[in-house]
Amino acid sequence: ETGVTQTPRHLVMGMTNKKSLKCEQHLGHNAMYWYKQSAKKPLELMFVYNFKEQTENNSVPSRFSPECPNSSHLFLHLHTLQPEDSALYLCASSQEALVFGRLSSGNTIYFGEGSWLTVV
Amino acid sequence: GQQLNQSPQSMFIQEGEDVSMNCTSSSIFNTWLWYKQDPGEGPVLLIALYKAGELTSNGRLTAQFGITRKDSFLNISASIPSDVGIYFCAGSSNAGGTSYGKLTFGQGTILTVHP
Repeated sequence: ETGVTQTPRHLVMGMTNKKSLKCEQHLGHNAMYWYKQSAKKPLELMFVYNFKEQTENNSVPSRFSPECPNSSHLFLHLHTLQPEDSALYLCASSQEALVFGRLSSGNTIYFGEGSWLTVV
Repeated sequence: GQQLNQSPQSMFIQEGEDVSMNCTSSSIFNTWLWYKQDPGEGPVLLIALYKAGELTSNGRLTAQFGITRKDSFLNISASIPSDVGIYFCAGSSNAGGTSYGKLTFGQGTILTVHP
């Protein structure tokens, strides 16, 4: 139990469906992330939210739409996906610190168990 | 962009043997993390390193932050069957305060332990 909970754990959806992945962190962190893990590829960062504001969109197609209503919840809305989008989607969180008015990295990121997505 | 080379890509060892894997980077990192991922699960943090030269242990695991800040290694001593999984290194850099904890991951080392 890492303190980051993802639902559903498995999802099968058609290319015309709309679905959402949910992530909740119980660690009191202020930053949340979506990563994509495909076979034989390194983990790919998709989105970063700091203090509920999206601070990074790593050239992700618009068929993936993140939402962060508060610092402990993160959603990934899925619409008209392609079969090649099938992968393990990992949510993560961390506690980012403000140092001299700037966000400081170097903090530890904790992952959820992932949501296995299959697009048919 | 930043890249991490993790080696070896896979290892097949006998139970009881020691294991060593490493990551090298083309650029400097301020943090090195080592994760283990079991099949169908998310990565679980094993060891975090925040200072060049730092050597940290977690049970049978030992990891070091290279003095050049461009490499790190992970050792597992006296391996057991439950050590099976994929081990990832990850580095983060806060150059200019813009990385927000963004991690660059290695490709992973697949470890198989034969009883």
